[in-house]
Amino acid sequence: GAVVSQHPSWVICKSGTSVKIECRSLDFQATTMFWYRQFPKQSLMLMATSNEGSKATYEQGVEKDKFLINHASLTLSTLTVTSAHPEDSSFYICSTGQRDNEQFFGPGTRLTVL
Amino acid sequence: EDQVTQSPEALRLQEGESSSLNCSYTVSGLRGLFWYRQDPGKGPEFLFTLYSAGEEKEKERLKATLTKKESFLHITAPKPEDSATYLCAVQGGSNYKLTFGKGTLLTVNP
Repeated sequence: GAVVSQHPSWVICKSGTSVKIECRSLDFQATTMFWYRQFPKQSLMLMATSNEGSKATYEQGVEKDKFLINHASLTLSTLTVTSAHPEDSSFYICSTGQRDNEQFFGPGTRLTVL
Repeated sequence: EDQVTQSPEALRLQEGESSSLNCSYTVSGLRGLFWYRQDPGKGPEFLFTLYSAGEEKEKERLKATLTKKESFLHITAPKPEDSATYLCAVQGGSNYKLTFGKGTLLTVNP
């Protein structure tokens, strides 16, 4: 399957600051990447679909001005959490698809906002 | 709206004690049902994709089956290293969106 990396693996920031999370597809040209958020003991919730060279598609209830997504190349998508608040603390995971419909996930980024 | 319900929420087994995890789903036009394994603090690891009712897939001690309403993940003679959260997800419609269940936390005691 596709190999996906994320950076950083964890980040702690102060309330009101912005944080950028990178998602890289290491062995696959990803025209589409997905960003998920997972709260403790909850399921993965899709936040947005990132399309290379075009605007991201956000799920209902996700603020596009708060969670900025950029997919400028076939190997890199970034998620920027702007003006982060403690309620944004979560586990953020990206994925990409390869072969039929399978999605392969990155290792995740743990965000803690103080 | 696609929905996935997994049961039980948590399952404790003794090493070697076989059991099954359940995933019930509703989806408009199933494209695929997926099983993933997730270890604490890690991203999901792909296990299986099932596409149509009656399909079965196996990998080591795991076997996944699919009907029109549910899927089972059978674990035969589990080992402590099988301890993890097992996630079920469905994909329907015309895009790649996955809808996940909350998972089953499996603990296998030696």
